Amino acid sequence: AQKITQTQPGMFVQEKEAVTLDCTYDTSDPSYGLFWYKQPSSGEMIFLIYQGSYDQQNATEGRYSLNFQKARKSANLVISASQLGDSAMYFCAMTWGSGYALNFGKGTSLLVTP
Amino acid sequence: GAVVSQHPSWVICKSGTSVKIECRSLDFQATTMFWYRQFPKQSLMLMATSNEGSKATYEQGVEKDKFLINHASLTLSTLTVTSAHPEDSSFYICSARENYGYTFGSGTRLTVV
Repeated sequence: AQKITQTQPGMFVQEKEAVTLDCTYDTSDPSYGLFWYKQPSSGEMIFLIYQGSYDQQNATEGRYSLNFQKARKSANLVISASQLGDSAMYFCAMTWGSGYALNFGKGTSLLVTP
Repeated sequence: GAVVSQHPSWVICKSGTSVKIECRSLDFQATTMFWYRQFPKQSLMLMATSNEGSKATYEQGVEKDKFLINHASLTLSTLTVTSAHPEDSSFYICSARENYGYTFGSGTRLTVV
């Protein structure tokens, strides 16, 4: 069975510090894509970063980087130099095989404190 | 970048009435769109996959007669919540696949009173 797990319901981080949000997945399909989205209280889904299962290097996008450990089936999001505006829900999502829909983990609520 | 316009952003309706939510891809053709539902403080749950010119594929447990999906053109998919009840109150959001990415609408907050 394919599954995405985010075990941290809530996280706190102080402004300017780095934070890691955990995501593990389970799939038997060798071809899959991993995504992270940010959802502020407005509800919009903001794309942050993507990692393909065949990508050799970890993805990075500005302050966001993805710590992809394929053997461990983990795809943790690292946010460096946290800002107050980073406070939001963060979802790990995945597509696999010939399926096209994004399937989401339960999410992690991040609060950045001054 | 790719934009998906979703309307309305919020709607309040009376129990028993129907509500239509539209999603339009503005600068690309979306042969496939996805509809999600999100309850407060929960994740996005896939309801159905909408394919242009064919019947939608519904996820297990989603009533196809209650949540009517129409994808009549390459740029428009609609979700109609028929005979809405208070338990249908939720946040509905659409998404379209474009190249290797997914673009989301801004969501519709439905309240049934």
